[in-house]
This record gives sequence, structure tokens and C-alpha cells, in this order.
Amino acid sequence: ETGVTQTPRHLVMGMTNKKSLKCEQHLGHNAMYWYKQSAKKPLELMFVYNFKEQTENNSVPSRFSPECPNSSHLFLHLHTLQPEDSALYLCASSLGLSGTPNSPLHFGNGTRLTVT
Amino acid sequence: AQSVTQLGSHVSVSEGALVLLRCNYSSSVPPYLFWYVQYPNQGLQLLLKYTTGATLVKGINGFEAEFKKSETSFHLTKPSAHMSDAAEYFCAVREPLDYKLSFGAGTTVTVRA
Repeated sequence: ETGVTQTPRHLVMGMTNKKSLKCEQHLGHNAMYWYKQSAKKPLELMFVYNFKEQTENNSVPSRFSPECPNSSHLFLHLHTLQPEDSALYLCASSLGLSGTPNSPLHFGNGTRLTVT
Repeated sequence: AQSVTQLGSHVSVSEGALVLLRCNYSSSVPPYLFWYVQYPNQGLQLLLKYTTGATLVKGINGFEAEFKKSETSFHLTKPSAHMSDAAEYFCAVREPLDYKLSFGAGTTVTVRA
């Protein structure tokens, strides 16, 4: 079992729907991340949280809204998405942002999102 | 700011042959370097990392990589490919004082029987 669990694994939604992606880590990490993986493109960092505080919003459209209630859980709330938002959304965690720059990211298996 | 270039988006090798995946980076200071592997329908898994010390790093599944500062490279190799090595491989770079990880575009490896 991966230390980072994402649900659901697959999601199909219409452009007017509202849905949420969930991520949970059991590694005792303090930093959590959302990445977007589209075909033929490098991974795009979307959001970063450190000790529940958002430290990075990489110019992500407001139709994506993250939430981090505690260091173990991370959500990505979706509303009025566009077809180009279809992608694999990956959650990751790491020990922290400062003092551990060589700490690798641990990834979940992702949510495959299709916007119709 | 750092950037990562992976030469070749697709590499095809015969089973038992050498696997060589190339990664070059640009960074203002010697960075921390990582290789990740992604199997179909899964997330990324750490193969190996270089931080400081020995420049030849050994990872899981028989992979290794060598950090060459003069060439700003961190190429990944495996002496003998196995069918289970078919996956996508990502090189990633992080500068020592920055938490952000920059990924290359990835190289897909196929292994021929």
C-alpha cells in the first residue's frame, strides 16, 4: 500500500458539476502537494501546503480550490471545469519544505479526471 | 531557476540490453537530483537520488545514475533491461535552498522481447 492514498481513482464530470478529489498520507509528513500531469507535458505544480498553510499557488485558475484541514489530508475542489482540465491529478507529500531539501516526494496513484 | 531536459521522449531497448536515459539540468548551484519511475495507472515512485557525496548513485531495481557537474548531467542506466522496466521515467531537480521540484518531460521506455 502506498503511503499516499488518492480517491477516487477515476472521475468523469460535466462542466457544470462540482466534485472533490481527496488525498491522505500516512507517512507523518508535513508538506503536501497537488500536481497536474497532462500528456506530453512536464508535471505542473499546482499547490503546496506546509503545516496546513498554503505556500504556493502556481497561477492556478480559481475553478480549482484546494483545502488542507490537517497535515494528513488534502482536497482539491473542482467546479465549472473545462475539457482541457482533463488530466491525471497527483498528490504528493514530503517531510517538510525547510531543512529537508533532499527529502523526496512520495506520490499517490492519482485521480484520472475526464471533463465532458 | 532550474530546468530539466530529458533527451528522447521514447526509448526502445531489447530485453537484456543496456538502458540509458539522459538528463541534463540547468541550475545556478549544484542541485539535488532525482529519478522517478511511473508505471501505467500509478503515481511516481522514487528510483534514486543524489544529494552530496559519491557521484555514482545506486537505486532500486538495478538502476544507477552518475552526477557529472562539469556536464550538468545525471544520466540513468541499467546494464540489462527487463520486461518489467517498461514505464515512464522522470528526472527531477531541486536547488538546495528551494523546496520546488522541477521535472523533465519524461522518457517512455519500451522493452522488446
